[in-house]
Amino acid sequence: DVKVTQSSRYLVKRTGEKVFLECVQDMDHENMFWYRQDPGLGLRLIYFSYDVKMKEKGDIPEGYSVSREKKERFSLILESASTNQTSMYLCASSLSYVDEQFFGPGTRLTVL
Amino acid sequence: AQKVTQAQTEISVVEKEDVTLDCVYETRDTTYYLFWYKQPPSGELVFLIRRNSFDEQNEISGRYSWNFQKSTSSFNFTITASQVVDSAVYFCALSEAGDNFNKFYFGSGTKLNVKP
Repeated sequence: DVKVTQSSRYLVKRTGEKVFLECVQDMDHENMFWYRQDPGLGLRLIYFSYDVKMKEKGDIPEGYSVSREKKERFSLILESASTNQTSMYLCASSLSYVDEQFFGPGTRLTVL
Repeated sequence: AQKVTQAQTEISVVEKEDVTLDCVYETRDTTYYLFWYKQPPSGELVFLIRRNSFDEQNEISGRYSWNFQKSTSSFNFTITASQVVDSAVYFCALSEAGDNFNKFYFGSGTKLNVKP
């Protein structure tokens, strides 16, 4: 069964902390994505990766970075968390751009 | 401009009513893909359908049907005889091949409330 897992369902951090959100997929997919979901704004793409060590900025990359050292793992990094990064973060993967994305359960991050 | 527009923020219907969720997209590519996803209250997005730009045939899957019209850049989703379990947020999405890498866009979603 296809699976995308995220390291935490809920996370509370302080302003200025460095935050790591981990995502792992077991489907040998080429593409991996990080989105944030906010009420009324839908899903907004932060970063995506189409191959190991390859990454591309999405629509809202400011304040975030990513790492993909292995095909199955895609990490989202908040270098210095701020309150406006409080959100639901969704990770997804897909075989290619013509294929559907499979989503993880999400991480609800609160930055105090 | 929005690449994918879901103008209906929230819709409420009574069980057994039919309901149509609108999706309008914008692209200059001739090859692109459209998707619908469902996000139930539990939170995890679930894939419903994919349609490529060369296939304008409408599709029906049980109570669900999709109407793809390139002339109006729309990919609407209809639920027939809605049920309470259909209550969810529904997202329309577009995937297109960019110059160097593919690009993905989601609409803002339509929240469907089906009341008993």
